[in-house]
Formats: sequence, C-alpha cells, structure tokens
Amino acid sequence: QQQVKQSPQSLIVQKGGIPIINCAYENTAFDYFPWYQQFPGKGPALLIAIRPDVSEKKEGRFTISFNKSAKQFSLHIMDSQPGDSATYFCAASPGSSNTGKLIFGQGTTLQVKP
Amino acid sequence: KAGVTQTPRYLIKTRGQQVTLSCSPISGHRSVSWYQQTPGQGLQFLFEYFSETQRNKGNFPGRFSGRQFSNSRSEMNVSTLELGDSALYLCASSSPGMDTQYFGPGTRLTVL
Repeated sequence: QQQVKQSPQSLIVQKGGIPIINCAYENTAFDYFPWYQQFPGKGPALLIAIRPDVSEKKEGRFTISFNKSAKQFSLHIMDSQPGDSATYFCAASPGSSNTGKLIFGQGTTLQVKP
Repeated sequence: KAGVTQTPRYLIKTRGQQVTLSCSPISGHRSVSWYQQTPGQGLQFLFEYFSETQRNKGNFPGRFSGRQFSNSRSEMNVSTLELGDSALYLCASSSPGMDTQYFGPGTRLTVL
C-alpha cells in the first residue's frame, strides 16, 4: 500500500515530442504528488507537484494530469528538448502525519534525441 | 538562499567501519529528511528530523541512525558498514508547514 509504481522504465523521444510518464498508487491517504528531475551526479530537483483536489496542473512545458478515482497521475513534457534528458521520479507523501516522508517511484530515464 | 549542502561528497570505506554524513539545510528550514538511492532499490526514505526529534523512520536496520542539531543541521551515521550500503545518500530539507522538499547533491558512499 505504500508503493508508487512508475512506468515506463526508459523512454526515447525525438526533439519536440511529448514524453508521458505514468505513476499509480494504492494508498488513498497520499495527499501530495511531486515530480522530480535528476541529472547524473546531482540530487533530484522538484519540477512540479499536485494535490488530489486538482485534475491538472501546468508549469511551463511540464503538465501533471491527476486521476483520483483511478489513483493514477502522469507527467507530460511538451516540446521536449535534448536538455530534458534526465531521470524523472514521481513521488507521493503519505499525509500530514508523515510530513517529510516521500515514497518514490522507480524512475524513468528519458532520452530526447536531437 | 544557499541550497542544501552535504559533506563529504564522496567517501570510500571498508566493511565493518562506520561513517558519518553531514547535511546543512536551507536557511529557515527545520525539517531534514534522508534518503538512500541505489540502482536496484531506487530512492528509499531513511528518516526525518524536525526540531531535533526524529519524526518518521523508514524500514532500515538500526545500523542507520541520525540526529539533528539546534541549528537544524543533521548528521546520519551508518555503523558496521556492509557492501550493500554503497549508495548515494541524499538529504532534503523543507520549510515548516510546506510539503516541498529540496534535495542536496548527495554523498556517494562506496563500501569495499
């Protein structure tokens, strides 16, 4: 119940394409869903985050779609660029009693070809 | 504001030794969380400290411990190192009342 399942494990797209990364969870107590981007040798950096009362959120070229009934959420990267090549992690926070604890998906390695 | 800093950035130890890693959170942040990142297990939560108290703990053996100081700086300690402890150890800090966690660059620990 504490798991977050992420797919695909890896993804290759052409420049300008729209990669989509999906995550699913079981625990309905999860109330905060961030996405992180990580480059080799660096720590994860927050991209965008959403709460269950919102179905979609956009920040620049990054969009989260959230389906509360299906317990799924996804990241879309519009007009992808080679500089977006990185590993992406979805995560979930198990609620106010567990602030500061994030459960991460296994990660998706994205390659954007020029 | 300066970001989360972690020291040292790289460490090489041998089995059986112990190690202490340090994390300085963003100024004003009082919550510090620690994560272990490995290729096989991904990012796993170790523990979280808030106001010098451990608030949450992940499923790691007692060899992994931590503490937080009054200035919010945190240390984690791993005793009796095993080969499987080789990993990137990440520290993240957050502001009171906020969910967003900001990660440091990590400490790469290699156990030989």
